[in-house]
Amino acid sequence: AQKVTQAQTEISVVEKEDVTLDCVYETRDTTYYLFWYKQPPSGELVFLIRRNSFDEQNEISGRYSWNFQKSTSSFNFTITASQVVDSAVYFCALSVTGTASKLTFGTGTRLQVTL
Amino acid sequence: EAGVAQSPRYKIIEKRQSVAFWCNPISGHATLYWYQQILGQGPKLLIQFQNNGVVDDSQLPKDRFSAERLKGVDSTLKIQPAKLEDSAVYLCASSRQGYGQPQHFGDGTRLSIL
Repeated sequence: AQKVTQAQTEISVVEKEDVTLDCVYETRDTTYYLFWYKQPPSGELVFLIRRNSFDEQNEISGRYSWNFQKSTSSFNFTITASQVVDSAVYFCALSVTGTASKLTFGTGTRLQVTL
Repeated sequence: EAGVAQSPRYKIIEKRQSVAFWCNPISGHATLYWYQQILGQGPKLLIQFQNNGVVDDSQLPKDRFSAERLKGVDSTLKIQPAKLEDSAVYLCASSRQGYGQPQHFGDGTRLSIL
């Protein structure tokens, strides 16, 4: 069975601070995909990034960066110089082969960025 | 590219009533998903369609929930009769065919059962 753990329920930071959201996953499959989604107060889940299990390169997109480490089964997400618009719930999700692309989500981390 | 469309945005019903949700996926997306998101939790897959066939409905409470995707495009999800524990946001998502394709979500329908 697959499992995704986001131990941080809620994080509060002041604007311009850096913040890291943790994600730990469990699977016996060697081939899988990891995802991050953002859910702003409006409710829509917005796709941020996809990473497959064979690609451990870190990725940077503007103020966002992701650190994938298979050795610790972690796929952490860092926001640099946070902004109020980053306030949302962030979900990490896992998809393994043989499950027809079904996503297993973590419970989410609520990020509150204040002025 | 137009996103995933869902309606209604909000619905309030009394327990034991029935309700239906509608979803129109992104054009060209063969795969369609319905998720249930209870407050404070991550979304949970209810049913997945590939074109108009069901791929996975293992977590769909089939005694009260039903879904269809006629002609492989639009989909409807129905609850009959509704229970208090069905209060949640129902999210529709779509993706291109193939393993690992990113799923793109609609705004969801927030259902409240009184």
